[in-house]
Amino acid sequence: NAGVTQTPKFQVLKTGQSMTLQCAQDMNHNSMYWYRQDPGMGLRLIYYSASEGTTDKGEVPNGYNVSRLNKREFSLRLESAAPSQTSVYFCASSAIWAGGADTQYFGPGTRLTVL
Amino acid sequence: GQQLNQSPQSMFIQEGEDVSMNCTSSSIFNTWLWYKQDPGEGPVLLIALYKAGELTSNGRLTAQFGITRKDSFLNISASIPSDVGIYFCAGQEGAQKLVFGQGTRLTINP
Repeated sequence: NAGVTQTPKFQVLKTGQSMTLQCAQDMNHNSMYWYRQDPGMGLRLIYYSASEGTTDKGEVPNGYNVSRLNKREFSLRLESAAPSQTSVYFCASSAIWAGGADTQYFGPGTRLTVL
Repeated sequence: GQQLNQSPQSMFIQEGEDVSMNCTSSSIFNTWLWYKQDPGEGPVLLIALYKAGELTSNGRLTAQFGITRKDSFLNISASIPSDVGIYFCAGQEGAQKLVFGQGTRLTINP
């Protein structure tokens, strides 16, 4: 059982370039999330999808867009990368929306550097 | 927004020692979660707490949901080398999203 998978594991971009981070889960979870993790800080929510067909902004959505492609897949897009977006990005999923008594399972992360 | 203060930020201990860390919040949470993150990996859930005063164990790990619902504690007994990593608390209030602490980095000297 793969759980939550993310691609790529590492990426280097130049300022202004665009890219899409991919995430997939095989646990039949309804909700999916994108976080970023910066040194000395906890995870901060970028966007989330409570269920297939819906997406909402989290704490730090500026500079990002998301697509819930289907129940399994949730992608994060950087249209014009900036050095401030250098971070480690984690995708997570949960069986129900986090408002319920359920827990989130995380992928291995994508390490992004923007030069 | 909600703030979680996790302490200590880092710990350096000897193998076999017990470890204690805690999180405090400026607001009430209905759920507290404790995660561990190994280098190069995503966080992995250790313990989930759903009720004020709840005390839950997972092997050598014990976590408590504070009575005030504004804090939580994680204890690790008889630490071993594989306990090394970063421990995160996370709180959830009602239908809102998880809020994470800054993490406690645990280093163990053999």
